[in-house]
Amino acid sequence: GQQVQQSPASLVLQEGENAELQCNFSSTATRLQWFYQRPGGSLVSLLSNPSGTKHTGRLTSTTVTKERRGSLHISSSQITDSGTYLCAMERQGTGSKLSFGKGAKLTVSP
Amino acid sequence: DAGVTQTPRHEVAEKGQTIILKCEPVSGHNDLFWYRQTKIQGLELLSYFRSKSLMEDGGAFKDRFKAEMLNSSFSTLKIQPTEPKDSAVYLCASSWTGGAQYFGPGTRLTVL
Repeated sequence: GQQVQQSPASLVLQEGENAELQCNFSSTATRLQWFYQRPGGSLVSLLSNPSGTKHTGRLTSTTVTKERRGSLHISSSQITDSGTYLCAMERQGTGSKLSFGKGAKLTVSP
Repeated sequence: DAGVTQTPRHEVAEKGQTIILKCEPVSGHNDLFWYRQTKIQGLELLSYFRSKSLMEDGGAFKDRFKAEMLNSSFSTLKIQPTEPKDSAVYLCASSWTGGAQYFGPGTRLTVL
């Protein structure tokens, strides 16, 4: 079964609204990594977070490894934030190997 | 510093052909990964190298997919023979062990 589940699968916001993306995983994780992908583009690493809360710019990543969940908060969304956000889990004992969720498609409109 | 580079960016192959995709990781990174991305399956790991040693060869992809890393700055992924279901974007990524993975631009493969 899918090791990493993301919700929602898609989200439509108006510019300025906040987005909250969820990630749940089925195994013990040592780290969550969030990526951003534009249509037809490659993956860009946003945040890599073993536990707790991490910030960069308008992004906040929270990882609660004991509860096997994480989240990515995007504040004051902008049109250029539109794209797909992927959560990836590094499973304990697998080295650097990541298991990816199917992604959350974010659309920000004016 | 240069990021991960992949060539070619696009490849069109006839069914049954052999194709070779290339990847240059970020200089100094010791882990290298090959992934396949499709709309239905999402991102699937094909191969994983640490310090040039093959750590994982992707199980279900063993038969026709072979990744090699002859030196620390270059890796290839060979698909032989290609099938239409192999049409996908192939992504290469590298990292320090335990560090964030950095992805290349990908190769879009179309098999006719």
